[in-house]
Amino acid sequence: GESVGLHLPTLSVQEGDNSIINCAYSNSASDYFIWYKQESGKGPQFIIDIRSNMDKRQGQRVTVLLNKTVKHLSLQIAATQPGDSAVYFCAENKGNAGNMLTFGGGTRLMVKP
Amino acid sequence: DAGVIQSPRHEVTEMGQEVTLRCKPISGHDYLFWYRQTMMRGLELLIYFNNNVPIDDSGMPEDRFSAKMPNASFSTLKIQPSEPRDSAVYFCASSPGFKQYFGPGTRLTVT
Repeated sequence: GESVGLHLPTLSVQEGDNSIINCAYSNSASDYFIWYKQESGKGPQFIIDIRSNMDKRQGQRVTVLLNKTVKHLSLQIAATQPGDSAVYFCAENKGNAGNMLTFGGGTRLMVKP
Repeated sequence: DAGVIQSPRHEVTEMGQEVTLRCKPISGHDYLFWYRQTMMRGLELLIYFNNNVPIDDSGMPEDRFSAKMPNASFSTLKIQPSEPRDSAVYFCASSPGFKQYFGPGTRLTVT
C-alpha cells in the first residue's frame, strides 16, 4: 500500500558533522511534507515543512530537499550537535486526505561527542 | 501559549478498567488529532476532528475506543474496557492547517 518509509532506522554521526536523513514516499499526489523531531519522553516537535511546488527550504541549521521525480525527501542538519539526538519522522499530506498526515517509521539519529 | 495540554501524563490501570485521556488543544486551532504510538506500529492516527466534528475515525481500533470533542477547547479519548494491548503512548495534536502541534503524550500501561 502507499506509505511513507525511511531507508535508515539508525544514523550515527560525529558531533560537528552534517547529517542527512532520508525518506521515500509513494503517493505522487502528496502536496505537503513535514519533518518532526521526537526526543525521548516527549511529543513530536515541528522542524520544517515544504510544499510540493518547492524543491528546497532552509531553516536554522536544517534544510529539507524534495525530489518529486524520485519521490524522495531528505532532512539535512548542519553541524550536528548532541542535542540533535532524537528520532526524526517525515510525514506527508496526500492531497485528498483533508488535513491528515501519514507518518513514516522514523530514523534514530545518534550524535557521538 | 502553553501548547497542547494532555492529562494525565502517566496512567497505570488494570485490564477491564475504563480509561479516559484528556486533551486541551491550542486556542484557535480548528483540527484535533488523536494518535497512538508503539514500538511495533509506530505513530498511528486514531481519529481527528474539525470544528469539534469527527471527520475520520477509521483508525480507531475497535468499539472499545471512543472519542469526543464537546467544545473547541477539550477532547477525550476513552477506552472501555481496557486491555494490555492498549498499552502505548497516546498523543493529541492540534492544527490550524497542515502543521500539527503535538502534546507531551499520555503513557498508558494496562496490566
